[in-house]
Amino acid sequence: DVKVTQSSRYLVKRTGEKVFLECVQDMDHENMFWYRQDPGLGLRLIYFSYDVKMKEKGDIPEGYSVSREKKERFSLILESASTNQTSMYLCASSLGPGGSSPLHFGNGTRLTVT
Amino acid sequence: GQQLNQSPQSMFIQEGEDVSMNCTSSSIFNTWLWYKQDPGEGPVLLIALYKAGELTSNGRLTAQFGITRKDSFLNISASIPSDVGIYFCAGLNAGGTSYGKLTFGQGTILTVHP
Repeated sequence: DVKVTQSSRYLVKRTGEKVFLECVQDMDHENMFWYRQDPGLGLRLIYFSYDVKMKEKGDIPEGYSVSREKKERFSLILESASTNQTSMYLCASSLGPGGSSPLHFGNGTRLTVT
Repeated sequence: GQQLNQSPQSMFIQEGEDVSMNCTSSSIFNTWLWYKQDPGEGPVLLIALYKAGELTSNGRLTAQFGITRKDSFLNISASIPSDVGIYFCAGLNAGGTSYGKLTFGQGTILTVHP
């Protein structure tokens, strides 16, 4: 069974702090994704990676960066957290592109920026 | 970017009732997916649809890929309390440079009263 683990369930950070959200998957999946979930807006793709050290911008990359140094780990970085980045962040992985093989999601990190 | 309109935004129903929700798009999709998110967890894939007109069932769930490829619906029959959660549609256009990026709907929040 695929397991996608996000390191924190809840985080509270101050405006201007650098924030790292970590995600690890244990199924040797090529593709990993970061989404944010906001009420009434669904899931919006921030960044994705289809290979180690490869990354592509999603629909809302502004204010975020990512790092994929190892296949199993995909980190989301908020260089200078702002209050409008308060949200639920979901990491996902898949064996192939997002529709041809299912996305497996972690349980999410709820980030509050004060 | 592409947008999906999912409706209704929320539903309050009695146990045993049938449920219907749908997604429409201004763009054509090659794949339609339906996910469910239980409270406190990440979304899990329920049904995947790959061909226009396809009708697929998974237990009490039935989903259809619209003939125009611009819409999909999900029906839940004889709802039970554990059906509570947020249901998301997602579309995939495998063409262009999207590399399998899914576009998600806004979600339907389902509440089932015993």
